[in-house]
Amino acid sequence: RKEVEQDPGPFNVPEGATVAFNCTYSNSASQSFFWYRQDCRKEPKLLMSVYSSGNEDGRFTAQLNRASQYISLLIRDSKLSDSATYLCVVNTPIAGGFKTIFGAGTRLFVKA
Amino acid sequence: ETGVTQSPTHLIKTRGQQVTLRCSSQSGHNTVSWYQQALGQGPQFIFQYYREEENGRGNFPPRFSGLQFPNYSSELNVNALELDDSALYLCASSLAGGMSTRDTQYFGPGTRLTVL
Repeated sequence: RKEVEQDPGPFNVPEGATVAFNCTYSNSASQSFFWYRQDCRKEPKLLMSVYSSGNEDGRFTAQLNRASQYISLLIRDSKLSDSATYLCVVNTPIAGGFKTIFGAGTRLFVKA
Repeated sequence: ETGVTQSPTHLIKTRGQQVTLRCSSQSGHNTVSWYQQALGQGPQFIFQYYREEENGRGNFPPRFSGLQFPNYSSELNVNALELDDSALYLCASSLAGGMSTRDTQYFGPGTRLTVL
């Protein structure tokens, strides 16, 4: 079982739609969670951190469920520019530091 | 732009050769992490350096090694290259000293390595 799992998609949605992505993680000791966005042949860019209480940034809402070990990302009123791969990221303490595990990503295509 | 730079942008090597990739962290950041991203996959954590010491390592063999310099720039060295080492190599810099899992990482544009 992978440490961080995401539905690879692709999700094909029309402009204005609401779309949700889920991500599950296997290590209960994981402490920090993030969503990154990656455009084709570009580096990942931080979209938002994910907090236990849930957090919102404009059209984007992230939630964390520690009991079930999953995080989610909701995008409302999708724009063409939201087309990208969305990467779930989990930081877990290990001896001497911590490790960062990325999911394989969920591809989103927003169409006019 | 994040201020994280990497060099070279592209590189072609043959099996068995050695390669060194370089990363300059964002001003004020003291932690650098390295990742390997194969086509269609998420980045895989190689290791992290904090104040010139390795501070965590993923499941990569010892032929993947690194250094961090006093100015916090970093190198990734790969010996005895294999075909499967062909990938995008990303570095990310961060500020929290590697001691906080909440540390936000900012990525450079990557080096695309092709092994023939």
